[in-house]
Amino acid sequence: AQSVTQLDSHVSVSEGTPVLLRCNYSSSYSPSLFWYVQHPNKGLQLLLKYTSAATLVKGINGFEAEFKKSETSFHLTKPSAHMSDAAEYFCVAPTGGFKTIFGAGTRLFVKA
Amino acid sequence: GAVVSQHPSWVICKSGTSVKIECRSLDFQATTMFWYRQFPKQSLMLMATSNEGSKATYEQGVEKDKFLINHASLTLSTLTVTSAHPEDSSFYICSARDRVLGTAIEAFFGQGTRLTVV
Repeated sequence: AQSVTQLDSHVSVSEGTPVLLRCNYSSSYSPSLFWYVQHPNKGLQLLLKYTSAATLVKGINGFEAEFKKSETSFHLTKPSAHMSDAAEYFCVAPTGGFKTIFGAGTRLFVKA
Repeated sequence: GAVVSQHPSWVICKSGTSVKIECRSLDFQATTMFWYRQFPKQSLMLMATSNEGSKATYEQGVEKDKFLINHASLTLSTLTVTSAHPEDSSFYICSARDRVLGTAIEAFFGQGTRLTVV
């Protein structure tokens, strides 16, 4: 069965420092993976997606993620955090039949 | 990317009343839409899969008579919370995938609806 695990429920960084949000997946085949961001009381916005093309994926707002099959990981990174990055981040994997598996989410706090 | 519009963005209703939430795909057709519920500080929980022209498929533990889903067209699905109670207060989000793209797997999400039952 497919699953997505976000390893940290909360991450706190200082503004201007790097961001690392961790996601591991389990799948019997090479999956597609996405990162979404959710600001308070808002819907989900797609940050980036991996669909079996380049393993290093660049997204919006300076975020990127690298698909590492050997480590079954798809960690989200950003070189320098901004206050506006404070939000909830979800690692997501679609399944067959159009369903979607969500990670538990990681709340990112950015300190001034 | 494609746009999914959800309405209303927030609603307050009295206990015992019903509330309808709409989910529209604005620039694409969606044979299938999904309804999620999100409790505070938690991930999204899939409630049901809405299929155009047929009955919705509910996840285990979700009361189909409580959460009525109608998907009458390729661009509109509605979720009606019937006889709402305070414990139904939550954030509800819909999503859809583009039918034309066939096996396209990216889901587009609505803005969400904050329901408060008083």
